[in-house]
Amino acid sequence: GAGVSQSPSNKVTEKGKDVELRCDPISGHTALYWYRQSLGQGLEFLIYFQGNSAPDKSGLPSDRFSAERTGGSVSTLTIQRTQQEDSAVYLCASSLGGAMVAQHFGDGTRLSIL
Amino acid sequence: AQSVTQLGSHVSVSEGALVLLRCNYSSSVPPYLFWYVQYPNQGLQLLLKYTSAATLVKGINGFEAEFKKSETSFHLTKPSAHMSDAAEYFCAVSEGTGGFKTIFGAGTRLFVKA
Repeated sequence: GAGVSQSPSNKVTEKGKDVELRCDPISGHTALYWYRQSLGQGLEFLIYFQGNSAPDKSGLPSDRFSAERTGGSVSTLTIQRTQQEDSAVYLCASSLGGAMVAQHFGDGTRLSIL
Repeated sequence: AQSVTQLGSHVSVSEGALVLLRCNYSSSVPPYLFWYVQYPNQGLQLLLKYTSAATLVKGINGFEAEFKKSETSFHLTKPSAHMSDAAEYFCAVSEGTGGFKTIFGAGTRLFVKA
């Protein structure tokens, strides 16, 4: 079956532009997570969605970052007025929900800000 | 608040030697613990998880980890390293209260020498 799909796989943009990153989770997965992976920094939690509950946005680094999940499926992470420090790999994961349930990861979007 | 510390950002072993990757966690409640592996340009894949059943957990590719509450540790081991084990390994913790947020360690890159 299809896994978690992220698009684009690579994105290069100029400083100050807005970018949208897309995540298609595994069908039926109620939980969806976004992480940022910078070189040597591990995975930084950004936000997660669980069903119809209010998302946990506690990891978003600034108000330039936002995310939405439409219809309980596809999610979009938006970064406004990009800065060079936003350059990283953005990973999306989905799961059936629950703290003990493993997450299934996409291959990520590599974002480069010039 | 939960946290994860992985000791050693890089570990190098010879092919056939024991692999030991260290992980210590901090959690205010009994945790759920995970090890994930990441190959170049890919997302993370689950190796194994601890969910309060057996303290010795066996995973894929011959890896296992032991949960030691008294030491707040969840070290990953494999008796005999293979070249294909070269990758980055992440330890992660999540709690069953207050949501499903997962915190990842900074990662340990494993090098396997022929």
